[in-house]
Amino acid sequence: DAGVTQSPTHLIKTRGQQVTLRCSPKSGHDTVSWYQQALGQGPQFIFQYYEEEERQRGNFPDRFSGHQFPNYSSELNVNALLLGDSALYLCASSLGAQPQHFGDGTRLSIL
Amino acid sequence: EDKVVQSPLSLVVHEGDTVTLNCSYEVTNFRSLLWYKQEKKAPTFLFMLTSSGIEKKSGRLSSILDKKELFSILNITATQTGDSAIYLCAVLNNNDMRFGAGTRLTVKP
Repeated sequence: DAGVTQSPTHLIKTRGQQVTLRCSPKSGHDTVSWYQQALGQGPQFIFQYYEEEERQRGNFPDRFSGHQFPNYSSELNVNALLLGDSALYLCASSLGAQPQHFGDGTRLSIL
Repeated sequence: EDKVVQSPLSLVVHEGDTVTLNCSYEVTNFRSLLWYKQEKKAPTFLFMLTSSGIEKKSGRLSSILDKKELFSILNITATQTGDSAIYLCAVLNNNDMRFGAGTRLTVKP
């Protein structure tokens, strides 16, 4: 039973570029949430997708956008990258009120 | 503004010691409080607490929630080097899960 998988594991970009991160939820889960975790901090909620729509959004600018596909997988897109976007991006999936399960994340470095 | 505060931020103990990690919160529309362990990458789920006063246990780990005083504790008895990790507390508020900064636990042999 595959857990949450994310790709790529590492990514290096330069300022101003755009990036797309991908997430496949744990089997049986229908909800995907994205988090940004800066070094030494707890994860910060970006947004959550359910039934292919953004259901809830944290305090992140419109440069951060996402999508959920009919098979429940999801993408996180970030435009006009800034140095401050360097972080570990975590995807978590869940079903109903059950606890969220996390993937290993994508480490994004902005040069 | 909703917030989750963990203490201490870091802790160094020796194998066999017992530790208590703290999490206090101020969140509207509280649904549940969760504890996660993060070693290198993915936070792994430990406990979900929704009711006050009911202790959850898993081996040497246990946790309890006080919804009146708005805090939770995570206890680890007979610590082992493998317990070294960052322990994250998170509060689920409707569809938003808010994390604390974590407690970095180091267990020395």
